[in-house]
Amino acid sequence: GAVVSQHPSWVICKSGTSVKIECRSLDFQATTMFWYRQFPKQSLMLMATSNEGSKATYEQGVEKDKFLINHASLTLSTLTVTSAHPEDSSFYICSASKELGGYTFGSGTRLTVV
Amino acid sequence: AQSVTQLGSHVSVSEGALVLLRCNYSSSVPPYLFWYVQYPNQGLQLLLKYTTGATLVKGINGFEAEFKKSETSFHLTKPSAHMSDAAEYFCAVSEVWAGANNLFFGTGTRLTVIP
Repeated sequence: GAVVSQHPSWVICKSGTSVKIECRSLDFQATTMFWYRQFPKQSLMLMATSNEGSKATYEQGVEKDKFLINHASLTLSTLTVTSAHPEDSSFYICSASKELGGYTFGSGTRLTVV
Repeated sequence: AQSVTQLGSHVSVSEGALVLLRCNYSSSVPPYLFWYVQYPNQGLQLLLKYTTGATLVKGINGFEAEFKKSETSFHLTKPSAHMSDAAEYFCAVSEVWAGANNLFFGTGTRLTVIP
């Protein structure tokens, strides 16, 4: 079956530093990858959609200069949280899709900014 | 535009009792509908999905859901709850027929199973 690996599973960083989160599709090529953010006891909110080799499409209200998304290959997408602040602390989840209507989720990354 | 409403942020059932988690959607095109389960600090696991065809969809772990177009609903059921079913459940919709591949989630329902 389709497997998506997301790393790291948790990270603690100091305020003002940057953090990179990786999302890899291990056994399939993902034409599209999605990044979600989930606050405690809340639903997943789509942050951005990225297609391999093109710029990501960000949802309204998501700062593209703060949340840098790179989708350099069909198996790898990265989310970099730049100049992180405590309010960026959240659970970030990626999803990879190789076909319309098919989505495989990573296990998520718990980011804590101190 | 699509949206998903999950009625009841918390549902408690006794072990062995029927599980019913409600989901209503709105979509401008025939929807793809999904139910996912999330355990603490983990990603999402697909329980089942409806795309086209048979409206009663069977998923993993004994769960099933029925697509009712007239009611714009996709409620999730399981005849007999197990302790291991305690988790957060999300209903989601995608407007694939409109060429959109984005998933939009409901607010989630936390299921508690009482021994």
